[in-house]
Amino acid sequence: EVQLAQSGAEVKKPGESLKISCKGSGYSFTSYWIGWVRQMPGKGLEWMGIIYPGDSDTRYSPSFQGQVTISADKSITTAYLQWSSLKASDTAMYYCAKITAAGSAWFDYWGQGTLVTVSS
Amino acid sequence: EIVMTQSPATLSVSPGERATLSCRASQSVSSNLAWYQQKPGQAPRLLIYGASTRATGIPARFSGSGSGTEFTLTISSLQSEDFAVYYCQQFNNWPPAVTFGGGTKVEIK
Repeated sequence: EVQLAQSGAEVKKPGESLKISCKGSGYSFTSYWIGWVRQMPGKGLEWMGIIYPGDSDTRYSPSFQGQVTISADKSITTAYLQWSSLKASDTAMYYCAKITAAGSAWFDYWGQGTLVTVSS
Repeated sequence: EIVMTQSPATLSVSPGERATLSCRASQSVSSNLAWYQQKPGQAPRLLIYGASTRATGIPARFSGSGSGTEFTLTISSLQSEDFAVYYCQQFNNWPPAVTFGGGTKVEIK
């Protein structure tokens, strides 16, 4: 069974750093792109970027380029999303999701989400 | 960046009725269009991909159509479990650039 298990909720202060994780299981982790999606409170879905764990090829949405870093450790089948300096506006639910197959970009499996709250 | 516009923002429908949701792309995305359903407190679920193919386990009352810039998701007879927010999503190029529409909330009339 394909599963994406995300790390738990975080409460941080502005300016702090953070790295959240997404552990894949039940499929060939290195063969499928994984994406990150932001959902701010009461708002819609925003694509942040994707990574191919096989070689760590990474692409970012222009809206998030330079704001976050996406990485992966294939040895432990885990993808990451990190911030070096959080802002209050980073408060949101963050989802990781697996892309179905090369050549398409449908997200067929999703993690449960990680709620990040940034408040002083 | 391709912009996806969904309409209406909110759709009030009675159980058993048909719901028609629209999604428009700012430029052609061919058939590179998916629909997702999201219920409160849950992650999104893939319903339709390739504009018209139902994902695994999705009931036949969900159907998608369109190509180019105009797309439609139709729910033929709304069930209580279908009241949710629906998002369209496109991709272009490879590796893909992805954008989501703003969503349509389907609520009970």
